[in-house]
Amino acid sequence: NAGVTQTPKFQVLKTGQSMTLQCAQDMNHNSMYWYRQDPGMGLRLIYYSASEGTTDKGEVPNGYNVSRLNKREFSLRLESAAPSQTSVYFCASSLTGTGVSTPLHFGNGTRLTVT
Amino acid sequence: GQQLNQSPQSMFIQEGEDVSMNCTSSSIFNTWLWYKQEPGEGPVLLIALYKAGELTSNGRLTAQFGITRKDSFLNISASIPSDVGIYFCAGQASGSRLTFGEGTQLTVNP
Repeated sequence: NAGVTQTPKFQVLKTGQSMTLQCAQDMNHNSMYWYRQDPGMGLRLIYYSASEGTTDKGEVPNGYNVSRLNKREFSLRLESAAPSQTSVYFCASSLTGTGVSTPLHFGNGTRLTVT
Repeated sequence: GQQLNQSPQSMFIQEGEDVSMNCTSSSIFNTWLWYKQEPGEGPVLLIALYKAGELTSNGRLTAQFGITRKDSFLNISASIPSDVGIYFCAGQASGSRLTFGEGTQLTVNP
C-alpha cells in the first residue's frame, strides 16, 4: 500500500521552462491537494480537488494549473517556471474535504529549483 | 481567512526533557490536527482532535483541543533523538479549508 506517490523527487528547471508534477493515491480518497512548503511559511495550499472532476484555487494559485485526471491522479503544472517557484511541493489526499475534517495524507514531496 | 500562530519556532532540548508547543488561532476551529515532518519526507499525522476540551494521547505525545476552540497544545514527554523534526499544527473551521501553522523545528541533543 503506497499511499500518496509523487514524481519526480527532485527537479531543476531554468526560468521559463515548463513541467508537470505527478501525484497518485491508492487509498480511494475523494479529495486531493497540492501544497508548497517554504522556510518559515509552513504549508500553503496551491490548488485542490474536492472530488473527481472538480478543481479549485487555494491560497497561492498564480503560476500553476492542475488536472484531476481521475480519482487517483492529480497533477500540477508550471507553464513558465520562475525562481519564486523554487520550493518543496507536496501532494496530499483525504477521504473527504468537506464537513468534519478527515486528515490529510501526504506524499514525500518534490524538491524543485528554478534557476 | 484564518491565521494560525505556532510557537515556538524552534526548540533545542536535551534527550529526556519534556517538550511543549502550541498554536493559537484568530478564529474558532472545529478540528485541530498535529503533524510531524522528518527530513526529506512529507508530514505524517500524529493526533487528530475534534472536540473542545478533548485530550488525546499517542504514546509519549499528548495533544489538547482548547476550550475556547482557538488554541491547541502538543506535549512530548521524555524526548528521544528520533523526535527530531518539524511539528505542524493545522486547524479547520466549519466550511473552510485546513490551515497550517508555520511549524516548530525540534532538535534533540543526545
